[in-house]
Amino acid sequence: DGGITQSPKYLFRKEGQNVTLSCEQNLNHDAMYWYRQDPGQGLRLIYYSQIVNDFQKGDIAEGYSVSREKKESFPLTVTSAQKNPTAFYLCATSRTKNIQYFGAGTRLSVL
Amino acid sequence: AQSVTQLDSQVPVFEEAPVELRCNYSSSVSVYLFWYVQYPNQGLQLLLKYLSGSTLVKSINGFEAEFNKSQTSFHLRKPSVHISDTAEYFCAVSERTAAGNKLTFGGGTRVLVKP
Repeated sequence: DGGITQSPKYLFRKEGQNVTLSCEQNLNHDAMYWYRQDPGQGLRLIYYSQIVNDFQKGDIAEGYSVSREKKESFPLTVTSAQKNPTAFYLCATSRTKNIQYFGAGTRLSVL
Repeated sequence: AQSVTQLDSQVPVFEEAPVELRCNYSSSVSVYLFWYVQYPNQGLQLLLKYLSGSTLVKSINGFEAEFNKSQTSFHLRKPSVHISDTAEYFCAVSERTAAGNKLTFGGGTRVLVKP
């Protein structure tokens, strides 16, 4: 089954806790992206990676961290420094002309 | 920095009526343009794209969009909507930056199709 897999679908974070969202792809795409979606605000770019072992901050990187050790994987950690983490998080991949394909998303809530 | 404006946050429309969703972007440099659709609690699906060539692009389910360079617009239209078209629609613009390609999204337009 090809595509982009985000897990878990729902995630709950306790105050002061770091949580990690998974994004795995088997499309052989070089570029991967993380977006945050809040109601009425569209999508905002958190981090992106054009190649393995390299990534850049997006528009709202504070309170988040990423790694890109494998082409297939681009996990996002929401750290305790992110004071308002409740949102819908979307992972995307791209191969050419920046046509991006999206996973099904992870909804993060704070307990 | 690039910005994308979707003028209507919500568009109610009756079934079988036409709909137009407006999208304007800020930069006049060479860009790629996209429309994505999102159904509740799902990811985004690519609806159609403009990369080059004909300024009118069409999707398989009856949507079309026209790239207008002079007005920096990429409005989405459908002549007759179905109940199943109820969703949120996002316009996006891609431009090359020093650090790679970036996609900038509009705030979205929620379409509610009424019977």
